[in-house]
Amino acid sequence: GQNIDQPTEMTATEGAIVQINCTYQTSGFNGLFWYQQHAGEAPTFLSYNVLDGLEEKGRFSSFLSRSKGYSYLLLKELQMKDSASYLCAVRDSNYQLIWGAGTKLIIKP
Amino acid sequence: DAMVIQNPRYQVTQFGKPVTLSCSQTLNHNVMYWYQQKSSQAPKLLFHYYDKDFNNEADTPDNFQSRRPNTSFCFLDIRSPGLGDAAMYLCATSALNRPTDTQYFGPGTRLTVL
Repeated sequence: GQNIDQPTEMTATEGAIVQINCTYQTSGFNGLFWYQQHAGEAPTFLSYNVLDGLEEKGRFSSFLSRSKGYSYLLLKELQMKDSASYLCAVRDSNYQLIWGAGTKLIIKP
Repeated sequence: DAMVIQNPRYQVTQFGKPVTLSCSQTLNHNVMYWYQQKSSQAPKLLFHYYDKDFNNEADTPDNFQSRRPNTSFCFLDIRSPGLGDAAMYLCATSALNRPTDTQYFGPGTRLTVL
C-alpha cells in the first residue's frame, strides 16, 4: 500500500528553527509537495521538490532524498502565524496525490 | 484575482436530507478535484474531472455524486448524508495533471449533519 508518515504534532519557540520530516512509500514518484493548512481553512501550497536537494523559499526550505523516500520542511525565524498543520503529499506514478495526515505545529512565545 | 471559490462556507443539513456543495474557479484550469477532510486527517480524494472526463475513486461511496457542467463549475451532491459525512469538503484545481502541476484549493465547505 501507499503510505506517507509525518509526526502528528511538534512544538517550537518563536524565533527558532523547526524541521518537519516526511517519509513516503508510494508506487512511483512524480514529485513531493508541502502545503500549509491553518485550522478550519484550506491547504495552501508551500513548495515542490522533484529532484534531490534543497529548495529555498524565504524562511521556508524543503529537502528531498528520493533514494531514502524522505523529505523535510525547514522553517526558520518562526513566527506565531506559522502555527498551522503542514501536509506532505507525493504524486505517484498515476499522477495521484497521496497525502499525509499533517503535522500540527504549535509555536510558543 | 484568479481563485477557487466554494459556497457555502458552512452548511448544516439533516440526516438523510440531500445537499449540494458548489465550487467555481477563475483559473481556467482543466482539472477539478473534490476532497473530504476530517479533523486531523489527510484529505481524501473523492473524484476528479479532467475536462469532462469523470474519475471516481474506488472507495468513494455511491452516496456521493458530482457534476461539472462547464470548465468553471463543479458540484458535489450528497444524496443521503449520514453523521459520518460531517467533514470539511475541499475543492481544488490544477492546470493539467502533470507532475509539476500544483493543486490550488478553495476555502472549503464545512458540513454539519444533524
